[in-house]
Amino acid sequence: ETGVTQTPRHLVMGMTNKKSLKCEQHLGHNAMYWYKQSAKKPLELMFVYNFKEQTENNSVPSRFSPECPNSSHLFLHLHTLQPEDSALYLCASSPGGTGNSPLHFGNGTRLTVT
Amino acid sequence: GDSVTQMEGPVTLSEEAFLTINCTYTATGYPSLFWYVQYPGEGLQLLLKATKADDKGSNKGFEATYRKETTSFHLEKGSVQVSDSAVYFCALSDVSGTYKYIFGTGTRLKVLA
Repeated sequence: ETGVTQTPRHLVMGMTNKKSLKCEQHLGHNAMYWYKQSAKKPLELMFVYNFKEQTENNSVPSRFSPECPNSSHLFLHLHTLQPEDSALYLCASSPGGTGNSPLHFGNGTRLTVT
Repeated sequence: GDSVTQMEGPVTLSEEAFLTINCTYTATGYPSLFWYVQYPGEGLQLLLKATKADDKGSNKGFEATYRKETTSFHLEKGSVQVSDSAVYFCALSDVSGTYKYIFGTGTRLKVLA
């Protein structure tokens, strides 16, 4: 039990589909993150929410749309994706405030775009 | 901007060998530094951390010392086991309140019995 739960674990979708990734944290944290992990690349920060407010959008294409209804839940809505969007999408949380506290990660959603 | 550079992998060692994975960073302020480990099919798990210069983080036999003068945070273990086979990520956090955590590219470690 990591304290951060992501669903689904695997997702295969066509380029015209619409799907959503879900993340839930049970740690009482105030900040939540979406990262993209592709082979042979550094982790790419996509979005950051702190106290439900988006504080970072790292030039992510509009086909990715985040939603943070409360401090415990984070969604990533996907539509008209491209094959190069296939990757492992990781959700993480942190207490917020200063950067001394580590991130806590979920196990990720493996996304394949066909 | 801030960045983290890790040694290229993969690193292949025999069981009980000594491990060093190099990590250097560039940061404008005084970041906190972390090592994470990722096992197949899982997310990243915190391995150890250090929040100020000369701090030594340690966990499960792994150690790393925050060296401000050389901007380094090298990961070491005296005797690796097959179960240590994984991908290791060095990371820093911006403590100025922007919630940015910067990761290296990861170093794959394979330990042979």
